[in-house]
Amino acid sequence: KAGVTQTPRYLIKTRGQQVTLSCSPISGHRSVSWYQQTPGQGLQFLFEYFSETQRNKGNFPGRFSGRQFSNSRSEMNVSTLELGDSALYLCASSLGAGGGYTFGSGTRLTVV
Amino acid sequence: AQSVTQPDIHITVSEGASLELRCNYSYGATPYLFWYVQSPGQGLQLLLKYFSGDTLVQGIKGFEAEFKRSQSSFNLRKPSVHWSDAAEYFCAVGANAGGTSYGKLTFGQGTILTVHP
Repeated sequence: KAGVTQTPRYLIKTRGQQVTLSCSPISGHRSVSWYQQTPGQGLQFLFEYFSETQRNKGNFPGRFSGRQFSNSRSEMNVSTLELGDSALYLCASSLGAGGGYTFGSGTRLTVV
Repeated sequence: AQSVTQPDIHITVSEGASLELRCNYSYGATPYLFWYVQSPGQGLQLLLKYFSGDTLVQGIKGFEAEFKRSQSSFNLRKPSVHWSDAAEYFCAVGANAGGTSYGKLTFGQGTILTVHP
């Protein structure tokens, strides 16, 4: 079966712009989580959605937001981009009932 | 709050040697525990997971891990390392069902594995 698909794979944006990243989970998976990975901070949890509701949120500023659609696809948005937002953004999907988490290949965001 | 410590930032082994990567966690109840591997520029691949039951867990690529509640550890082992195992390895803890952090994984800082021929 198809894995977790993240688009785009690479993105270059200018400071102050906004960006939207997309994640299509494994078919049947209702939970989608987002993580930011940087060399300095490692892997940090952004938020998790389950059945279109944000169930959990990490310690990130309000510029980071997300949503989930009825087909479980999820998007995350970052407004007013800062240089420090440059990172690999990873999405993970799960059945949501204590199942394992399957990660996508990520979106590499570079802010210049 | 849940946390994970991977004490070794970088480990180097010879091909064919045995491997043990250490992971210590902090969590108030029985956690869900995971080991993931990441190759450069790629996403995370699940090696194995522990939810309950047998404390020795078998995973893919010949890896295994043992959950030791008394030591709050979940160390990853492989009896004979292959050059293709060179990558970064992450231990993670997740809340069990019903926990307030359910749906969130907390990762360790990772261990980079180098394999010498």
